[in-house]
Amino acid sequence: AQSVTQPDIHITVSEGASLELRCNYSYGATPYLFWYVQSPGQGLQLLLKYFSGDTLVQGIKGFEAEFKRSQSSFNLRKPSVHWSDAAEYFCAVGALSNTGKLIFGQGTTLQVKP
Amino acid sequence: KAGVTQTPRYLIKTRGQQVTLSCSPISGHRSVSWYQQTPGQGLQFLFEYFSETQRNKGNFPGRFSGRQFSNSRSEMNVSTLELGDSALYLCASSLDGGASTGELFFGEGSRLTVL
Repeated sequence: AQSVTQPDIHITVSEGASLELRCNYSYGATPYLFWYVQSPGQGLQLLLKYFSGDTLVQGIKGFEAEFKRSQSSFNLRKPSVHWSDAAEYFCAVGALSNTGKLIFGQGTTLQVKP
Repeated sequence: KAGVTQTPRYLIKTRGQQVTLSCSPISGHRSVSWYQQTPGQGLQFLFEYFSETQRNKGNFPGRFSGRQFSNSRSEMNVSTLELGDSALYLCASSLDGGASTGELFFGEGSRLTVL
């Protein structure tokens, strides 16, 4: 079955500290992988995506993610968190053939301490 | 370039009523997808329309339906509303359903409350 797991429901980090949000997926086809961020009352904004090639991808707002096929993981990282990064983060997987459909994880809520 | 526009942003209905939500995609985008977001179930795919045809469908009952017009605007309808239909309904547009770039652009959603 196709699924995405984000093991951490809630994470709190101090401003300036590094961040890693975990994502594991199960998908039969060659997956496309995404990280989206959602601020309260807002829609989803794409942070970064992986299709193929270099397994370390750079995104907006200083985020990066590394695809590890052997571990079925696509973890999101940021070296130094800012207070404005507080939001909910979603990992998602899609496929070329599955148009318009992404399978999302349950999300990780990030709280940033001053 | 205007983003994805969803209307209305908020609405309250009672059980048994029906509701229609509207989505205007980014200019030039031909694919519109709909998602339901609830605290319990998270983000779930409802359906995708491309060039006025439903091309992909999630696992929702027939009470949930949609359509797309020739200008790519889309509507979704939920009939015989149930309490469990209370959710944020998100629309996403893309050039081609994400088949080439994979990227979906999301609107801010329509928050439906069923009483």
